[in-house]
Amino acid sequence: AQSVTQPDIHITVSEGASLELRCNYSYGATPYLFWYVQSPGQGLQLLLKYFSGDTLVQGIKGFEAEFKRSQSSFNLRKPSVHWSDAAEYFCAVADPFSGGYNKLIFGAGTRLAVHP
Amino acid sequence: DAGVIQSPRHEVTEMGQEVTLRCKPISGHDYLFWYRQTMMRGLELLIYFNNNVPIDDSGMPEDRFSAKMPNASFSTLKIQPSEPRDSAVYFCASSAGYMNTEAFFGQGTRLTVV
Repeated sequence: AQSVTQPDIHITVSEGASLELRCNYSYGATPYLFWYVQSPGQGLQLLLKYFSGDTLVQGIKGFEAEFKRSQSSFNLRKPSVHWSDAAEYFCAVADPFSGGYNKLIFGAGTRLAVHP
Repeated sequence: DAGVIQSPRHEVTEMGQEVTLRCKPISGHDYLFWYRQTMMRGLELLIYFNNNVPIDDSGMPEDRFSAKMPNASFSTLKIQPSEPRDSAVYFCASSAGYMNTEAFFGQGTRLTVV
């Protein structure tokens, strides 16, 4: 069965600094990969997704993620963090051969704090 | 469109009582999902529907949980009887297709069972 690991529970960065949130997955082939963001008291919003093709994926709000098959990773990056980026970030995977996009398995999340 | 609408936003109930959570998906979306978020288990898919038909309910934790979708614009998740360990945030999401589409999430219902 596939699984997702987000090694960092909490991360604090200064506004304007670069950001990288780590995500590792366990799956026999290439799964579908996603990053979601959850602001306090809100639902989840899709930042970006990877199904196939170019391994560097651009998303909304200036985020990007890179799929590295050799490392089973899908890390999220942003070159310059804004105070409004403070939120919880979830990496998720789906098995293309079992339920496709619909059966998302989420990581535990990384809570991002941004210092002014 | 107003997005996925869930009600109530907060629910506090006593153990043993029946709880019904409601969801109105985005108009035109044919997939609807129910997720549960807890500190211990994170986000879990409970069940999802396609065209009002339950497709996969393998995530439903126990028989105390049931979900229905009587029409394309309404779904319910019912817990009967409720237990303290059911306390969580329950999210509903909808999407417009099977592949290559985004699931839009509601703001969730925070359930507390005392």
